[in-house]
Amino acid sequence: QSVLTQPPSVSGAPGQRVTISCTGSSSNIGAGYDVHWYQQLPGTAPKLLIYGNSNRPSGVPDRFSGSKSGTSASLAITGLQAEDEADYYCQSYDSSLSAFYVFGTGTKVTVL
Amino acid sequence: EVQLVESGGVVVQPGGSLRLSCAASGFTFDDYAMHWVRQAPGKGLEWVSLISWDGGSTYYADSVKGRFTISRDNSKNSLYLQMNSLRAEDTALYYCAKGNSYSSGWYNYYFDYWGQGTLVTVSS
Repeated sequence: QSVLTQPPSVSGAPGQRVTISCTGSSSNIGAGYDVHWYQQLPGTAPKLLIYGNSNRPSGVPDRFSGSKSGTSASLAITGLQAEDEADYYCQSYDSSLSAFYVFGTGTKVTVL
Repeated sequence: EVQLVESGGVVVQPGGSLRLSCAASGFTFDDYAMHWVRQAPGKGLEWVSLISWDGGSTYYADSVKGRFTISRDNSKNSLYLQMNSLRAEDTALYYCAKGNSYSSGWYNYYFDYWGQGTLVTVSS
């Protein structure tokens, strides 16, 4: 029961720029809580990509960037590469009673 | 190198019980809160539970509250999830995840390391 909405899929040619949106509500992103992003390559565990809206852990290429505004956040991938083909999830805190942490519905990125 | 290794996933009948374990290494285990996150086959991620560094605070998603219990043994660098009254909808890959934050309070937590997961299948 994801409460953060993402597009099911996005695609782009190698070298292009793609963006993934993450839309929340007044109990999560809109309340000012930060957004974090994860990359899940096929058959593997999720990996932290962006934390605190726009911070990259060490080892994550600067082709990945994040931003947040209002009740939404975005992940941008510039200079798309074949190895970026994966599922991407946003995550935030939710102040409702049902769960502390909520994930987005997930977006499949396809490199054409 | 941080390592999280889950175990205990099996096929269990509806209404049954199961205990998952997660062995942690490569970091000071008792400095960090820990989480369980699950992923049903072909579906997205769902946060399940959180335990504070000392085990003194625990939190659960509504979907598992009253049925699952999270615990930890800091002397063994291990995290556990006791799962009772299992339902078909609990079928999922269960990940152990290390929590991290850049400020006080639970609201800025994110998951900086994940295990490879252990598969729980609830079926008759």
